[in-house]
Amino acid sequence: EAQVTQNPRYLITVTGKKLTVTCSQNMNHEYMSWYRQDPGLGLRQIYYSMNVEVTDKGDVPEGYKVSRKEKRNFPLILESPSPNQTSLYFCASGTGRQETQYFGPGTRLLVL
Amino acid sequence: AQSVSQHNHHVILSEAASLELGCNYSYGGTVNLFWYVQYPGQHLQLLLKYFSGDPLVKGIKGFEAEFIKSKFSFNLRKPSVQWSDTAEYFCAVNPHMGRRALTFGSGTRLQVQP
Repeated sequence: EAQVTQNPRYLITVTGKKLTVTCSQNMNHEYMSWYRQDPGLGLRQIYYSMNVEVTDKGDVPEGYKVSRKEKRNFPLILESPSPNQTSLYFCASGTGRQETQYFGPGTRLLVL
Repeated sequence: AQSVSQHNHHVILSEAASLELGCNYSYGGTVNLFWYVQYPGQHLQLLLKYFSGDPLVKGIKGFEAEFIKSKFSFNLRKPSVQWSDTAEYFCAVNPHMGRRALTFGSGTRLQVQP
């Protein structure tokens, strides 16, 4: 089954403790992206990657890092999480600019 | 940078009522346009998309949207809503050229009462 998977689905952590949210897709998509969803703000793009080793900032990249060492994986790294990064995070993948993006199930993060 | 406005934040309708959700974008060039839906507790799913050609596009579940270039709008419509349409709806755009960011609107929460 074609899908985007994220782990973990739920995470509670404390300020400053590094964490990684994994994202994997099995559709051989070149394009992958991370978004955060906050009430009243919709989804905002954090980072995206057009292919292996090619990443670029989205609209809200501060406090996040990404890497794209393999085509299927695009982990999101929070080196020193802060409470303002409490949010619902979605990973997505697609084949090209004009193609549909397929979204993962989301990761709900709470930073205390 | 492009931006997307969804002016209806919360819409409440009765079953069988007609629906129109507004979406306006700001960008000087050619864009791709999307409507996504997020059912309670689920991830986003594509409803419909417009890239070029006929400005009236039809999507899944009886939804359609019309691209009006002169108004920078891409409104979503459905003639008769059902209780199962209760969800949050997001309009999104990305430009044909330049950075491949997909910009979303803030969303419209639709509540359909039986």
